[in-house]
Amino acid sequence: QVQLQQSGPGLVKPSQTLSLTCAISGDSVSSNSAAWNWIRQSPSRGLEWLGRTYYGSKWYYDYAVSVKSRITVNADTSKNQFSLHLNSVTPEDTGVYYCARGTHANGWSPWGQGTLVTVSS
Amino acid sequence: QSVLTQPPSASGTPGQRVTISCSGSSSNIGSRTVNWYQHLPGTAPKLLIYGNDQRPSGVPDRFSGSKSGTSASLAISGLQPEDEADYYCEAWDDSLNGVFGGGTKVTVL
Repeated sequence: QVQLQQSGPGLVKPSQTLSLTCAISGDSVSSNSAAWNWIRQSPSRGLEWLGRTYYGSKWYYDYAVSVKSRITVNADTSKNQFSLHLNSVTPEDTGVYYCARGTHANGWSPWGQGTLVTVSS
Repeated sequence: QSVLTQPPSASGTPGQRVTISCSGSSSNIGSRTVNWYQHLPGTAPKLLIYGNDQRPSGVPDRFSGSKSGTSASLAISGLQPEDEADYYCEAWDDSLNGVFGGGTKVTVL
């Protein structure tokens, strides 16, 4: 059974970088049959897919147009985890951030427990 | 505004059938499959339907999905009190990648 455990700060100052980590158990971040996603939910924007990474002979990355200039998702195979880095944050980036396993074709499941991140000085 | 359009609310009494619509375009629903998620307050969203009409193991068969053209629907037959939640449709978009509907809050009267 795959489980995802998120970690990272709940408060980030404007203009700084939001960084979260998602530790994987029950699967491998370098699996050829899974992608590793970050999704957030905010009152103003609802649910929003942010980006993903997956391995298929090399690492691939896809990002949402809305955050493409500010986001990096990468995998750490030694720790079997993946991370989100979102730079130059503003209060608009406040929300609950989730990691999730899966491809669109098979749906995103499971999800991490969620991390409420507030961007405020 | 969300890329996919859902009604903000739906309701029914226990045992009734409730249907939630999800409208998109040719660049998302019209050319890709649709997934549905159930979101209970304070918990992570749960995959309910994938590939338009497939239920993951463990999802009750009172939940069903369908798609036609650029629209999709989620039906809950035999509504139960524990079905009170927010429901989101999701599709892959040619330009935007993963896109969601704004969510529909289902109330069990």
